[in-house]
Parts: sequence; structure tokens; C-alpha cells
Amino acid sequence: KQEVTQIPAALSVPEGENLVLNCSFTDSAIYNLQWFRQDPGKGLTSLLLIQSSQREQTSGRLNASLDKSSGRSTLYIAASQPGDSATYLCAVKGGSYIPTFGRGTSLIVHP
Amino acid sequence: DGGITQSPKYLFRKEGQNVTLSCEQNLNHDAMYWYRQDPGQGLRLIYYSQIVNDFQKGDIAEGYSVSREKKESFPLTVTSAQKNPTAFYLCASSIPLGQSNTEAFFGQGTRLTVV
Repeated sequence: KQEVTQIPAALSVPEGENLVLNCSFTDSAIYNLQWFRQDPGKGLTSLLLIQSSQREQTSGRLNASLDKSSGRSTLYIAASQPGDSATYLCAVKGGSYIPTFGRGTSLIVHP
Repeated sequence: DGGITQSPKYLFRKEGQNVTLSCEQNLNHDAMYWYRQDPGQGLRLIYYSQIVNDFQKGDIAEGYSVSREKKESFPLTVTSAQKNPTAFYLCASSIPLGQSNTEAFFGQGTRLTVV
């Protein structure tokens, strides 16, 4: 059964820092990996989708990489801002076609 | 606008009651999912449906039931058999089975509280 782990569980940084959030998964036979943002009491907003054949995807200050063979993905946030404060979740889609989630990284960026 | 709508946003249930959470999508997606989220936890799969009139149990289906009579609708009923229903419930959809390289879209969630 696929297991997804996110490290760290929580992170507090000053504004302007570059950040790396980590996601690892146990079964490398995946179709894609998706990074989400969740604000308190809200649903999930999709940030980036990386197909299994891709190595990375970029959107603005966000860059996600995927190393399928080692079961790892990283989300890089450049020049963090207080508005980036949220929980970040990764989900992998494998043979069952059902997204499996990690527990998330809770990020606080303080001014 | 295309998207997924969950209602209500907040729901209160008395002991012994059944309650139904609504999930509607106009994205023309075949696959729909229900997840439960507890504080500090990831999302856990309750039920999923890959096509109309068919659905499958997820990891924590006990105490829940679903139906999929229409492509755009996937309601979740929390029955009295669910002993700890207080949680945040999220509905999602994606393009169907066999089209693997597609993203999932989520609704805004329903917070259910037992009173």
C-alpha cells in the first residue's frame, strides 16, 4: 500500500527565505504527483502537477521536482511571503488512480 | 465557472442522526472521491466512484454510504453507525479511470460537528 510522508510537519520562517518542503512515497510506480495548498478551514487548491515522465514543474515562485526512482519530490518556494502561510499537501496517484495524501507541512511566514 | 460545490459549509448532527453532505461538479468528470480530514492528519479516503452507478469503499468506509445516480453528483451520508463523525469532509473529482495523467480538483469542504 502506498504511503506518503511529508517533512517537516511544521515550519516557521521569516519573510524572504527560500524554502524546501519534502514529500516521499514508498511505491515508485506512480502516474503523477500533485502539490496542494490548504488555507485554514478551506478546501485544497492545486499548485503543481508533475507527470511521472517529468522531472520538474514551475509556477511563479514555486518549483516542484520529482525523482520517481527514489520516491521523492520537493516543493521549492522562492522569496517566501506572509501570504504563503498555509498547509502544503502532496498527493501521489498510482495504479489505483486514487490520490494518496501525506499529512502536510504547516508553513508560517512571519513579517 | 467550472468547479466543485460542497454544501453545506457547516453541519451539526445530533447523536443517532443520519446526515447527508452534498457534492456537485460541472467539470464533466467521471471520477469522484470523498475524503475525511482530522486535525494534524492527512486526507483519508472514504468512498470513490469512477463512473455513474458504481462506487467502491475506501480505507475508512464504515459508517458512511454514498450514491452515484448522476455524473455530476456524489452525495455522502454519515450514518449513526459512524461513532466519531466530527471532521472536515472534502469532495474531489478528476477525469476517469484510464486517463492517469490528470489532476484532482477539490471542493471547499464541509465541517461536520456532533452536538
